[in-house]
Amino acid sequence: AQSVAQPEDQVNVAEGNPLTVKCTYSVSGNPYLFWYVQYPNRGLQFLLKYITGDNLVKGSYGFEAEFNKSQTSFHLKKPSALVSDSALYFCAVRDVIKAAGNKLTFGGGTRVLVKP
Amino acid sequence: ETGVTQTPRHLVMGMTNKKSLKCEQHLGHNAMYWYKQSAKKPLELMFVYNFKEQTENNSVPSRFSPECPNSSHLFLHLHTLQPEDSALYLCASSQVGTDYNQPQHFGDGTRLSIL
Repeated sequence: AQSVAQPEDQVNVAEGNPLTVKCTYSVSGNPYLFWYVQYPNRGLQFLLKYITGDNLVKGSYGFEAEFNKSQTSFHLKKPSALVSDSALYFCAVRDVIKAAGNKLTFGGGTRVLVKP
Repeated sequence: ETGVTQTPRHLVMGMTNKKSLKCEQHLGHNAMYWYKQSAKKPLELMFVYNFKEQTENNSVPSRFSPECPNSSHLFLHLHTLQPEDSALYLCASSQVGTDYNQPQHFGDGTRLSIL
């Protein structure tokens, strides 16, 4: 079984400050990990993914995420948040084992509010 | 433009109506998905189609009936819905190979309201 947890329902940060959105996962084998962002009245947009290799993954709009196998975490980060980063963020996981098929499991989402 | 188009964007229907949601992907992908997004359960996978074959039905009530006539089109036929079915219905597509590590691409959804 695969699962993912986003422990914070909402994160508030001042514009220009670092932004971190937390994600932890559970899989039987090794994980494929994804971050998505959802703006109001829109679908989910892909930000970045971890498949293998370098633990620090860089993605769209200046976001990056760090894979930590020992802590089973994949936190999303941005060094300097913008007001336009205010949105709903989803972490997702898929177990590498073939039996998982192409089914992604999503976390509950974290709402980010960046204040001017 | 995400490459995945959903119509209509908004739909209001009574519980006895029959309607269909449409999704079309222009990305050349071979897998398509239906998700339900509501306040109570942010993102629930409903159905998965690989190469036009349904491979996942996540215990979805029979009042929701999917159809995938080809790898570019996906429909969700609705009948006798309940008020709790009011939600945002999202379609997604992805390219599935031997390693399943490609991201899913989402449409902007259909906001469904059941009266």
